[in-house]
Amino acid sequence: GAVVSQHPSRVICKSGTSVKIECRSLDFQATTMFWYRQFPKKSLMLMATSNEGSKATYEQGVEKDKFLINHASLTLSTLTVTSAHPEDSSFYICSAPGHYLSQETQYFGPGTRLLVL
Amino acid sequence: RKEVEQDPGPFNVPEGATVAFNCTYSNSASQSFFWYRQDCRKEPKLLMSVYSSGNEDGRFTAQLNRASQYISLLIRDSKLSDSATYLCVVRTTSGTYKYIFGTGTRLKVLA
Repeated sequence: GAVVSQHPSRVICKSGTSVKIECRSLDFQATTMFWYRQFPKKSLMLMATSNEGSKATYEQGVEKDKFLINHASLTLSTLTVTSAHPEDSSFYICSAPGHYLSQETQYFGPGTRLLVL
Repeated sequence: RKEVEQDPGPFNVPEGATVAFNCTYSNSASQSFFWYRQDCRKEPKLLMSVYSSGNEDGRFTAQLNRASQYISLLIRDSKLSDSATYLCVVRTTSGTYKYIFGTGTRLKVLA
C-alpha cells in the first residue's frame, strides 16, 4: 500500500510557540489530505480537509487562524499550530484517501504527539 | 447527537469467543462505510469496507443496514491479537467528501 509520513513524530514545546507538522505522501500524489486530532482514549476528530492549490476546509469549531493548513504541493500538507497552549496537546494524524486492492481506504501518517508545557 | 456512534466498551472476552460491535450513523446521505482498527498509540488501519450485501474476510463479518443506518462487525474465534479499538467510519459527501469516525469500541481478548 501507499505510504504517508509525518514529521515530527513527537514534539514538546513551550506555551506560546508555534509548531509545524508535515504530512507527506511518499509514493503517490494526494490532492486531498485530512487532518485529525485525537485525545487520549477518544476517537479521531476531523479538523480540516487540506486541498492542494486551494484553501483548506475547516470543520465547525476549529479555528482556522489557530490551525494553519498549507497544501503546497501534491505530496505535502502542513499543519501549523500557532501560539500553542497546553490544551492543544494532543495526537495529530494526517491521512490521504486512496485505494488498496480495489478497496477505498485512507493512508494514515504515523501521527505526531504534541505536548505543550 | 454524534454523527457516528458506537458503544465505547470495553468488551473483555475470552479467546475463542465471538464478539459483535454495533455502530449507528445519523446522515442518511452517507455513502461508504468502513471498520478500522487502532492499536494503542498507533495510527488507524483499515480492517474492511462494509458493503450493502454484507461481506466477510476470514473471521470478520461486516453488515450494513441502510434503512436503519446501522453497521455491525462480527469477530469469530477471537485471538489475543484482536485486542484493539475498532472504529466505525462513514464517508459523507456534503460539498467535498470527508470521513467521520465513530467513538470507537475497545476490545480486550483475554487468555
